[in-house]
Amino acid sequence: EDKVVQSPLSLVVHEGDTVTLNCSYEVTNFRSLLWYKQEKKAPTFLFMLTSSGIEKKSGRLSSILDKKELFSILNITATQTGDSAIYLCAVQPTQGGSEKLVFGKGTKLTVNP
Amino acid sequence: ETGVTQTPRHLVMGMTNKKSLKCEQHLGHNAMYWYKQSAKKPLELMFVYSLEERVENNSVPSRFSPECPNSSHLFLHLHTLQPEDSALYLCASSLNRGLSEAFFGQGTRLTVV
Repeated sequence: EDKVVQSPLSLVVHEGDTVTLNCSYEVTNFRSLLWYKQEKKAPTFLFMLTSSGIEKKSGRLSSILDKKELFSILNITATQTGDSAIYLCAVQPTQGGSEKLVFGKGTKLTVNP
Repeated sequence: ETGVTQTPRHLVMGMTNKKSLKCEQHLGHNAMYWYKQSAKKPLELMFVYSLEERVENNSVPSRFSPECPNSSHLFLHLHTLQPEDSALYLCASSLNRGLSEAFFGQGTRLTVV
């Protein structure tokens, strides 16, 4: 069964701190790994990773994938209160063209002023 | 705004009621999805439609009935629900069944009483 495990489940930091969120996975026929940010309701897309070792970067957020060790990390530098959210990791298996995403439970990040 | 709109945003219904959730996207996407998000559980895929054809049904009880009349609209018809069906129901769409990220709607917070 395909599985995604995120850690930690919750994290409280102060503004300016750097955080690293972890995502490990077990999936048959891996296609891609995606990170989403969920602030209130709608998860919003952050990154899609398909190749090992290639860092994707967007402002203070960056992410990298290790397909050998089956994990990904999401880094946030110089955190701000607006980064407070649940960060979801999902993997997309290759199943006959299906768009199925398997999600982890998420990491709830709280950034205090 | 992700371009995926869900209505209603909140819904309270009795176990004998019949209601429908609506999802609309005008992004030109060909695939649409229903997800369920319960407290402390990962997002669970319920249904996948590609080009208005249902391509996946993840063992969802028949009290949930999806309908996709065209590629821009997706409905989830609800009848004789149980209190444990209370959750956030998220609709998503993606460009096609290939390697593309999904865009989520704001969700409908459903409470079954």
